[in-house]
Formats: sequence, C-alpha cells, structure tokens
Amino acid sequence: KQEVTQIPAALSVPEGENLVLNCSFTDSAIYNLQWFRQDPGKGLTSLLLIQSSQREQTSGRLNASLDKSSGRSTLYIAASQPGDSATYLCAVKNDYKLSFGAGTTVTVRA
Amino acid sequence: GAVVSQHPSWVICKSGTSVKIECRSLDFQATTMFWYRQFPKQSLMLMATSNEGSKATYEQGVEKDKFLINHASLTLSTLTVTSAHPEDSSFYICSFYREPEQYFGPGTRLTVT
Repeated sequence: KQEVTQIPAALSVPEGENLVLNCSFTDSAIYNLQWFRQDPGKGLTSLLLIQSSQREQTSGRLNASLDKSSGRSTLYIAASQPGDSATYLCAVKNDYKLSFGAGTTVTVRA
Repeated sequence: GAVVSQHPSWVICKSGTSVKIECRSLDFQATTMFWYRQFPKQSLMLMATSNEGSKATYEQGVEKDKFLINHASLTLSTLTVTSAHPEDSSFYICSFYREPEQYFGPGTRLTVT
C-alpha cells in the first residue's frame, strides 16, 4: 500500500521568502505525481504534474522535482506572496489509484 | 484544465435521511471517475472508483450499501449517502480521470445533525 508523507505539516513565512515543501512516498513504482493546492473549504487545484520519466516540472514561480528512486518530490515556490497561503497536497498515482499526503498548510505573512 | 462541477456545494440533513450529490464534467467525457472523502485537517481518502455503465469498486472499509454510486453517463456521476448519521459529516469530492491527470470538483460539505 502506498504511503505518502508531507513535511512539514505547517509553515509560516514572511512575504518574499522562498518556500520548500517536501513529499515522500514508499512505493517507487509510480505512474505520475501531482501537486495540488486547496483553499479552506474548497476543492483541489492542480499545480504541477510530473510523469514518472521526468525529473522536474516548472510553471511560473513553481518548480517541482521528482526523485523516483528515493521516493521524494519537492515543490519550490519562489518569492512567496500572501495569495500563496493555502494547503498544498502531494498525490502519487499507482495503477489507477491516487494516494494523497496529509498536506502542508502554508501561511505567507504580509 | 478540465471543469468539474458538484451540486450541492453544501447540505445539512437530519440523521436517518438520504442525500444525493451530483458530479458533472462540463467539457469532456470520462469513463472513469472517483469519489473521495475528506475529514477536517485530514487528507483525501478514496472511497470508490466507477466506470461508466458498470458497478463501482469500493475501497476497504467503505460500505457500498450506504454510499451508492451511479455512474449514469460519461459526464455524470452521483453519490447517495443513505440513512446518514453524524459520523458521515464530511467533505465529499468527486474526480474525473482524463489521461494523464485527474480533475477534481469543488467539493460538497455534508453536515448531518
């Protein structure tokens, strides 16, 4: 059974600082990995998807890396803004199933 | 990205009643879809997977007679919580799969009193 862990559980930073969010998973036979953003009481917004054959993906201020062999992914958010405050979820796909981490709740202080 | 809608966005019901939640994909057709449940401060847990026209596959510990899933068409799926109890209060999110991503609905907050 795939286990997904996200560290830290919560993070508070001043505006402008770079964010580093970590995700680890136990079964490296993954199909892909997705990072999502969830605002309080809302659904999920997909941020980045990394296929198992890829090492990283970038979109604007966001960059996600994947090291499948060690079972790790890292999401970097550059020059954080108060609007980046949300919970960030890492999800790993094996076969047909997506397994989620518990998330990292980020607060960016103005 | 693809658009998925859910209705209602929130619902309050009395214990013992049934509640139906609709999930629609607005701009694509998908044969496979998923229902998730999220308790406060916890992550999403997969409840069941369904393919259009066939019975849903439920995850271990999820009661199939309590959570009825109907994948009526390639753009519509419904989840009915039967004889709801306070412990069923949760945030329910649907998801359609379109290679290579899963697209999620905005969620339905269910409160059972």
